[in-house]
Amino acid sequence: ETGVTQTPRHLVMGMTNKKSLKCEQHLGHNAMYWYKQSAKKPLELMFVYSLEERVENNSVPSRFSPECPNSSHLFLHLHTLQPEDSALYLCASSQDTSGFGTEAFFGQGTRLTVV
Amino acid sequence: AQTVTQSQPEMSVQEAETVTLSCTYDTSESNYYLFWYKQPPSRQMILVIRQEAYKQQNATENRFSVNFQKAAKSFSLKISDSQLGDTAMYFCAFMDSNYQLIWGAGTKLIIKP
Repeated sequence: ETGVTQTPRHLVMGMTNKKSLKCEQHLGHNAMYWYKQSAKKPLELMFVYSLEERVENNSVPSRFSPECPNSSHLFLHLHTLQPEDSALYLCASSQDTSGFGTEAFFGQGTRLTVV
Repeated sequence: AQTVTQSQPEMSVQEAETVTLSCTYDTSESNYYLFWYKQPPSRQMILVIRQEAYKQQNATENRFSVNFQKAAKSFSLKISDSQLGDTAMYFCAFMDSNYQLIWGAGTKLIIKP
């Protein structure tokens, strides 16, 4: 399998649940990203990892907790979410975080609904 | 703050027609990259075309081309001979000197048979 793979594709969770989103890339990239995509709004960058080190955290609430155990895998742990957190969560990877003009490769996203 | 604006929330054209999607941005930087990404119903974002600000020649990729007007801070995407498979959300994005991508809100493009 090639590219960026996200699981699950769809997730419905209650506000008291704990769940995790998984992202895996088979491109040999060093950088991985989590984005939040809400309808009619620009993509919001949540977290950036470079060589398994977090390099960016854009004021994301602590109920979102990322984990990058190695350069091929990225997780987003979810805990005590709010209904406004319902969105499409996209994972992306790129060769590195400092490549000017570098293309980002995206997964198909996880559609999260918080009830 | 750097911003990207896509003024057309939705567009619809007939198959085989040419369509132009608008994008404007605001920055004080002199060198940067601009991108157009496509997000079909499968939801996977795919790079369509990119342009470096220092390059005067407009980028072209098969049926896709851009009209880059640096002074006007405009970066429109032209799709020629549109096909049903071009139906998607199209996002304009700007990469600054910190290598961060700043995104527009997207334009939904519908190609009608």
